[in-house]
Amino acid sequence: GQNIDQPTEMTATEGAIVQINCTYQTSGFNGLFWYQQHAGEAPTFLSYNVLDGLEEKGRFSSFLSRSKGYSYLLLKELQMKDSASYLCAVMDSNYQLIWGAGTKLIIKP
Amino acid sequence: NAGVTQTPKFRVLKTGQSMTLLCAQDMNHEYMYWYRQDPGMGLRLIHYSVGEGTTAKGEVPDGYNVSRLKKQNFLLGLESAAPSQTSVYFCASSPTGGTYNEQFFGPGTRLTVL
Repeated sequence: GQNIDQPTEMTATEGAIVQINCTYQTSGFNGLFWYQQHAGEAPTFLSYNVLDGLEEKGRFSSFLSRSKGYSYLLLKELQMKDSASYLCAVMDSNYQLIWGAGTKLIIKP
Repeated sequence: NAGVTQTPKFRVLKTGQSMTLLCAQDMNHEYMYWYRQDPGMGLRLIHYSVGEGTTAKGEVPDGYNVSRLKKQNFLLGLESAAPSQTSVYFCASSPTGGTYNEQFFGPGTRLTVL
């Protein structure tokens, strides 16, 4: 079967750095997406990785290792507005997105 | 541009009732999707469409029907609602369906079936 695993909840302090991990087992791989979802709102796109390595976009970075079936999202200089759920999704061989359950990130002052 | 819009935002149904959720996008996207989101689970694909007049089943299609008569609209129908269909429903669209196709989501419809 296809499976995406990410921690259910994480807590971090304002101004700090946090790393949210995602491991996956899917039938085929056509890229990995990270989305942010604030409570009661729609998911919004953060990043996309298809090749191994690090993609940096401002305070957010995303890393991919295809051989290990592993990705992480790194958030730097945390702000209170970063409190949200972070969803990992893998595009499988049929170009369908398989979604993880999401990681709820709580930022404390 | 409004992006992706969904109506209604909230709805309460009784078991056995039917309803239609409407999704509209103004980005001229070819692909459209209906997902449901339940606590502790990832988004699950119900049905999707790769273009006007086409539809296909996703992971959890039972109890739902869809239609895409116009490119900008994608309708999700519940024929006979059941409590198990209580969920948040998201519509999304993307330019095409290949790699690196960001999906744009609507604000969601919160459905409760009593």
